[in-house]
Amino acid sequence: DTGVSQNPRHKITKRGQNVTFRCDPISEHNRLYWYRQTLGQGPEFLTYFQNEAQLEKSRLLSDRFSAERPKGSFSTLEIQRTEQGDSAMYLCASSLTGQPWSGNTIYFGEGSWLTVV
Amino acid sequence: AQSVTQLGSHVSVSEGALVLLRCNYSSSVPPYLFWYVQYPNQGLQLLLKYTSAATLVKGINGFEAEFKKSETSFHLTKPSAHMSDAAEYFCAVTSTTDSWGKLQFGAGTQVVVTP
Repeated sequence: DTGVSQNPRHKITKRGQNVTFRCDPISEHNRLYWYRQTLGQGPEFLTYFQNEAQLEKSRLLSDRFSAERPKGSFSTLEIQRTEQGDSAMYLCASSLTGQPWSGNTIYFGEGSWLTVV
Repeated sequence: AQSVTQLGSHVSVSEGALVLLRCNYSSSVPPYLFWYVQYPNQGLQLLLKYTSAATLVKGINGFEAEFKKSETSFHLTKPSAHMSDAAEYFCAVTSTTDSWGKLQFGAGTQVVVTP
């Protein structure tokens, strides 16, 4: 169990550029989640996958955001035409499908910081 | 819709003193509840979770929380604070449906531990 891995850990980009973040979940986890956290706030849900299927997207995920999990393993989160308001930490998490009372837990990665200048 | 309110954005405690972090939730049905801790520039680590079994839940690092349905609360406590407890703490609520991984977090409470 190597944990949830995210990279890059930090990205500074100019407004209008595209950025992509990658997440490698815990190997046997079939669910993968993306959250966004701005300074002084708790994380906010963006989207989640079960295997390669994207099951739910938050209204926070505008048309400039796209997430994929092509083979049900790693996932990418792309932000097109970045805006200063996109500056945040993007957190990836993973879990098994079962309910938390069965011992299942969501494990978070260390996050990818995005600064748009 | 579910929501979480964490009372107090900053809490200062002396080393060895009781740590009490307050969390109140809003949910139309019995939820799952979680407490996470976040150290600077790191992700979230699960401290404990309530999944409708025992109302008093014990977690890691000496933390525990009690689910009180009548008060819609899930306060986090630790009898004796340690310097290493300085971090930000988040309470989260979610439904017991299949999309339980869609957590709704509170705004967080920053804990400072003084010698």
